[in-house]
Amino acid sequence: GAVVSQHPSRVICKSGTSVKIECRSLDFQATTMFWYRQFPKQSLMLMATSNEGSKATYEQGVEKDKFLINHASLTLSTLTVTSAHPEDSSFYICSARSSGQGNSPLHFGNGTRLTVT
Amino acid sequence: DQQVKQNSPSLSVQEGRISILNCDYTNSMFDYFLWYKKYPAEGPTFLISISSIKDKNEDGRFTVFLNKSAKHLSLHIVPSQPGDSAVYFCAASGNTGGFKTIFGAGTRLFVKA
Repeated sequence: GAVVSQHPSRVICKSGTSVKIECRSLDFQATTMFWYRQFPKQSLMLMATSNEGSKATYEQGVEKDKFLINHASLTLSTLTVTSAHPEDSSFYICSARSSGQGNSPLHFGNGTRLTVT
Repeated sequence: DQQVKQNSPSLSVQEGRISILNCDYTNSMFDYFLWYKKYPAEGPTFLISISSIKDKNEDGRFTVFLNKSAKHLSLHIVPSQPGDSAVYFCAASGNTGGFKTIFGAGTRLFVKA
């Protein structure tokens, strides 16, 4: 089955530093990847759509300069949380479709728990 | 604005009985609905889906029902097993939304042995 690998699974950083999260599709190519954020006991909130070779599309209310997305290849997308603050502490999770069909299910990574102290 | 709502944060069911998880949506442009299952420290995994042109889809112990007029769908698990204990997310997507998938808040299912 389609596998999405996300790294790191957990990171603790100091306020003001930047953190990079990697998302890889291991056995398929993904022209589009999706980054979600989840607060405790809340839904997965779509942050942005990462497009290979072009700019990411951000959802309303998500700061593109704060959450930098790079999708340099068909198997790798990165999310960088710049100048992190405690309010950025959250669970970040990426996903991708292995099929080109728009309604095909998403395959998720295991997520990254970010804690900013 | 919550477009996909799961109003029950948790559900407890006895092993062997039926589990019914409910989901409501507000956007009539959604045309595809999915259920995902999530264990702790793992990403969600796809469970079952249904197109808006259908009202039922069955896969083994899992059946999803869609009531378009009520903008409501439900996931039935029968018989429930202890291994089904997890968080279940309802999700929806549509062509007009660029196929972005919108998730509900999830329902934690406990299946007691």
